[in-house]
Amino acid sequence: DVKVTQSSRYLVKRTGEKVFLECVQDMDHENMFWYRQDPGLGLRLIYFSYDVKMKEKGDIPEGYSVSREKKERFSLILESASTNQTSMYLCASSLGGARGNEQFFGPGTRLTVL
Amino acid sequence: AQKVTQAQTEISVVEKEDVTLDCVYETRDTTYYLFWYKQPPSGELVFLIRRNSFDEQNEISGRYSWNFQKSTSSFNFTITASQVVDSAVYFCALSEKGTGANNLFFGTGTRLTVIP
Repeated sequence: DVKVTQSSRYLVKRTGEKVFLECVQDMDHENMFWYRQDPGLGLRLIYFSYDVKMKEKGDIPEGYSVSREKKERFSLILESASTNQTSMYLCASSLGGARGNEQFFGPGTRLTVL
Repeated sequence: AQKVTQAQTEISVVEKEDVTLDCVYETRDTTYYLFWYKQPPSGELVFLIRRNSFDEQNEISGRYSWNFQKSTSSFNFTITASQVVDSAVYFCALSEKGTGANNLFFGTGTRLTVIP
């Protein structure tokens, strides 16, 4: 079974803090993704990575950065957290290569920025 | 333009009723993939099904069935004899050939509540 784990289920931070959200997958997947989920907006892609050290912007990358130093780990970084970044953050992974591979999701991190 | 539209924000049904969740998509690609995911109260999205654009056969899996119609750009999901455990948010998603890394475009989700 594919397992995607995220470092925290709940996180509370203060405005201006640097925040790291970690994601690890154990199935040797090439692709990894970070989404945020907000009521009424569904899931929106922040960043994705299709290989180690490679990253691509998604639909809403502003205020975020990512790091992928190892294939199994994909980190989302909020350089200076703001209240509008309060959200549920979901990490996912998928096989590379052929199109249409399903993504497997972690349990999510609910981040509150005060 | 939104690529995936789930017009039903919330649906409530009584247990054992059938319920259909609608999904309408928009794409210019001839090769694409459609997905349904379930998000129970625990929060983790669970993959339910994937269809590619060349396969319009309907699919049935237990109480779940999916109706894919290219003519109306729809990929609807029906739960037969609903149960309380079906209560969740359901997301429809689209992956287009031209997007990198199998990116998914998600609809805004439909919250299904099954009342005992």
